Amino acid sequence: DIVMTQSPLSLPVTPGEPASISCRSSQSLLHSDGYNYFDWYLQKPGQSPQLLIYSGSSRASGVPDRFSGSGSGTDFTLKISRVEAEDIGIYYCMQALQTPYTFGQGTKLEIK
Amino acid sequence: QITLKESGPTLVKPTQPLTLTCTFSGFSLSTSSAVLVGWIRQPPGKALEWLALIYWDDDKRYSPSLKSRLTITKDTSKNQVVLTMTNMDPVDTATYYCAHRRSILTGFDYWGQGTLVTVSS
Repeated sequence: DIVMTQSPLSLPVTPGEPASISCRSSQSLLHSDGYNYFDWYLQKPGQSPQLLIYSGSSRASGVPDRFSGSGSGTDFTLKISRVEAEDIGIYYCMQALQTPYTFGQGTKLEIK
Repeated sequence: QITLKESGPTLVKPTQPLTLTCTFSGFSLSTSSAVLVGWIRQPPGKALEWLALIYWDDDKRYSPSLKSRLTITKDTSKNQVVLTMTNMDPVDTATYYCAHRRSILTGFDYWGQGTLVTVSS
C-alpha cells in the first residue's frame, strides 16, 4: 500500500495569515499519462469531507482561489493564502494512483 | 445536481453482517463513462479509510485488508450501490460514506452525509 504522511498534524493559524500543509507519499503518484493521482479534502466539523484539489493542483468546482495545490511525484503542498474562520477542520490528502486508495492522517487546522 | 445518501442499520451485533445502500441521483452508473462510486469509512475521531469502489462497467476494487469481508454491487435500475461487510466487529464502528468520482483522476467530488454504524452486543 502507498503510505501518505502529512505534516503538521496540528496547525494553529491567525485569520488573514497564510497556511501550508505538506503530504508525502511512499511512492511516486505521477502516472505515465503525466498526471498526479492525488487529492486534497477538507472535513469541516460535523460534515462530510469535501474535495478541494484533484490531480495535485486542480481546484474543484466552487473552491475559493485562496486554496492552491502544488507538487508532483511524492511531495505535495496545500496552501491557503489567507485563512478564514470557515477554513477550520481537518485536511486530508489521498492518493488514487492505485488501490487501495490511501489517506493521510489528517491535519487539524484551528484558529488562534 | 448530484446527490448521494447512505442508508442501513445504525446498530449491528458482533459477527453479524452489515448491508449499506448508497442511493444516488444526478448521474448514471450504467452508461459508458469513467464514473465510479466508492465507500469510505471513518471511526470516531479517526482518519478516513477507503473500503471499496465500483465502476460503471461493474469493475470492482477492494481494500486488501478487508477484501475477504466486503462485497460491492450496483443496481442501475434503482440508482443504488450496495456494500456488504461480513463478520462485523466493534472495531468496525464508524461513519460510512459513499462518494462519487467522475473519473479516477478527478477526486471524490460528491459525498453522502454518512451513516454511523455501531457494532455492539
